[in-house]
Amino acid sequence: ETGVTQSPTHLIKTRGQQVTLRCSSQSGHNTVSWYQQALGQGPQFIFQYYREEENGRGNFPPRFSGLQFPNYSSELNVNALELDDSALYLCASSLGGTGDYEQYFGPGTRLTVT
Amino acid sequence: AQTVTQSQPEMSVQEAETVTLSCTYDTSESNYYLFWYKQPPSRQMILVIRQEAYKQQNATENRFSVNFQKAAKSFSLKISDSQLGDTAMYFCAFMKPWHIQGAQKLVFGQGTRLTINP
Repeated sequence: ETGVTQSPTHLIKTRGQQVTLRCSSQSGHNTVSWYQQALGQGPQFIFQYYREEENGRGNFPPRFSGLQFPNYSSELNVNALELDDSALYLCASSLGGTGDYEQYFGPGTRLTVT
Repeated sequence: AQTVTQSQPEMSVQEAETVTLSCTYDTSESNYYLFWYKQPPSRQMILVIRQEAYKQQNATENRFSVNFQKAAKSFSLKISDSQLGDTAMYFCAFMKPWHIQGAQKLVFGQGTRLTINP
């Protein structure tokens, strides 16, 4: 167990809908990264938040957005869902700005878009 | 941009055997970090071993060890005395240090599905 939690575990949505996924960081961590893992693929970086500010973004459209809260928990929002958004969404927390670079992953949220 | 390549989509060995998973990467950075992650069917991503590029000595963690060849940009994982619980997807990943501009993100390979047979 890494101490990183995600909710919900599974989610089924219809194309065009909006979804919010949540992540609770490990205690003391100030950075959250989100990854999308399509079936049979390696995770792809979506974006990272450091101390409530976006700290970098991968090659994902603007309909993927996020937030980080003062307690360093985080949300991933996806608007106008498409079938290709079906994937496992992983969040990882870390202690940014230091030499401790390890990212600790949550169990993921499985999103299915029909 | 950094890329990570795992050329073995699937591997299968008998319990107690030794297995080596391959990984190559491409980067122009001189300092970086490399990782092997394990993702069992339960899907939680677990760190197996990590290597700092500035360290010449290969990292080891119990039955797991790496062969880090910086000039060749190669980073293989050796699992000795393999166990049934080692069955999982294994991902090689690259990360640059925090002080370099941009997010300190993990760049993953496509993964190797490893099956340990009884």
